[in-house]
Amino acid sequence: NAGVTQTPKFQVLKTGQSMTLQCAQDMNHEYMSWYRQDPGMGLRLIHYSVGAGITDQGEVPNGYNVSRSTTEDFPLRLLSAAPSQTSVYFCASTHTLGLATGELFFGEGSRLTVL
Amino acid sequence: GQQVMQIPQYQHVQEGEDFTTYCNSSTTLSNIQWYKQRPGGHPVFLIQLVKSGEVKKQKRLTFQFGEAKKNSSLHITATQTTDVGTYFCARNAGNMLTFGGGTRLMVKP
Repeated sequence: NAGVTQTPKFQVLKTGQSMTLQCAQDMNHEYMSWYRQDPGMGLRLIHYSVGAGITDQGEVPNGYNVSRSTTEDFPLRLLSAAPSQTSVYFCASTHTLGLATGELFFGEGSRLTVL
Repeated sequence: GQQVMQIPQYQHVQEGEDFTTYCNSSTTLSNIQWYKQRPGGHPVFLIQLVKSGEVKKQKRLTFQFGEAKKNSSLHITATQTTDVGTYFCARNAGNMLTFGGGTRLMVKP
């Protein structure tokens, strides 16, 4: 019963470094997404995917890249980390494409600090 | 973008008191979802409302969807310390689920 698995749980980067946050789900969900959560800001959508090979931008996509080569995995890449990207990142998935009836299942989050 | 606004941002209550959080939109919503996030945890889905004027209950929690489908509320009767956390509403716009800023509930025992 793994659900949505995110790695790493914690990461400290220096400005300009690159890294990838991993997300995997074992529920055969077509839809996957990445959110960032900052204090007092709620959850903001970064990128999402409605299926393998298809990705699209959310509310705050700048500075982040994604790819979806398989149904199970949806990695989030930071090519050149900036202090403004210090945040908690959540991956989420659901079983319906249109989100009309699907609840999002969230991973436990990845806390990223950029110095 | 099309956002949902939540009020209040914070709420302190004494254990046993009631609590309500409101979610408002300037545009008509196709549906509204509610999530709860415990301190240090991840958001967990509570419920989805779809129909105009819909009211759903989960034990001490009552969820309402406005007649015009532009607002929603979550009411907790007789709060308990286990209700502590942040409650978010979320709107579905195409393939994007966008969240309100959340209401953080703190309960004094």
